[in-house]
Amino acid sequence: GQQLNQSPQSMFIQEGEDVSMNCTSSSIFNTWLWYKQDPGEGPVLLIALYKAGELTSNGRLTAQFGITRKDSFLNISASIPSDVGIYFCAGRASGTYKYIFGTGTRLKVLA
Amino acid sequence: DGGITQSPKYLFRKEGQNVTLSCEQNLNHDAMYWYRQDPGQGLRLIYYSQIVNDFQKGDIAEGYSVSREKKESFPLTVTSAQKNPTAFYLCASTREGNYGYTFGSGTRLTVV
Repeated sequence: GQQLNQSPQSMFIQEGEDVSMNCTSSSIFNTWLWYKQDPGEGPVLLIALYKAGELTSNGRLTAQFGITRKDSFLNISASIPSDVGIYFCAGRASGTYKYIFGTGTRLKVLA
Repeated sequence: DGGITQSPKYLFRKEGQNVTLSCEQNLNHDAMYWYRQDPGQGLRLIYYSQIVNDFQKGDIAEGYSVSREKKESFPLTVTSAQKNPTAFYLCASTREGNYGYTFGSGTRLTVV
């Protein structure tokens, strides 16, 4: 099955730094989602994007729906230790119930 | 509060046994899904159901079975035919329309 290409796979950053990650697809999507997963738990929805070019924020998190509709970006500003976890993107094409997930970006924050 | 509940949190299975993972939601969501997650990997779709009494295979359905007799419930059975069942299993649901998934907290299955 298709999986989205998400990068970077992992990153170590210092507390207070900004973080950027992205997700690309070979298909056009009409919805992009960003999730965070803590160890041993289910993913939690952070941001949902529904329109090409859309820029949406949730606290220190900002995500964008790429103009080509084949990519999306997530930025975290001023990272804190509780930002540690795995961040997944997910995309869905028109007319389907199924989301396709990225391979995840594992974020570790050094205090 | 509405939510999606998976049980048990941890499950141990002997080789050759079937086990059933429970997933219940009280969100009145139409569609439900089962995903498998292996260490360091993304989520792979096992089965999904859009309405009661109907379900479709996902990308890795071999060795698994499901049922959808009630809107609220979507149990997953891991059969003895699944050769590598040790993994973290996630159940999700969504309502009709352009909405994201709500996930349960997962079940970690280990074969002993």
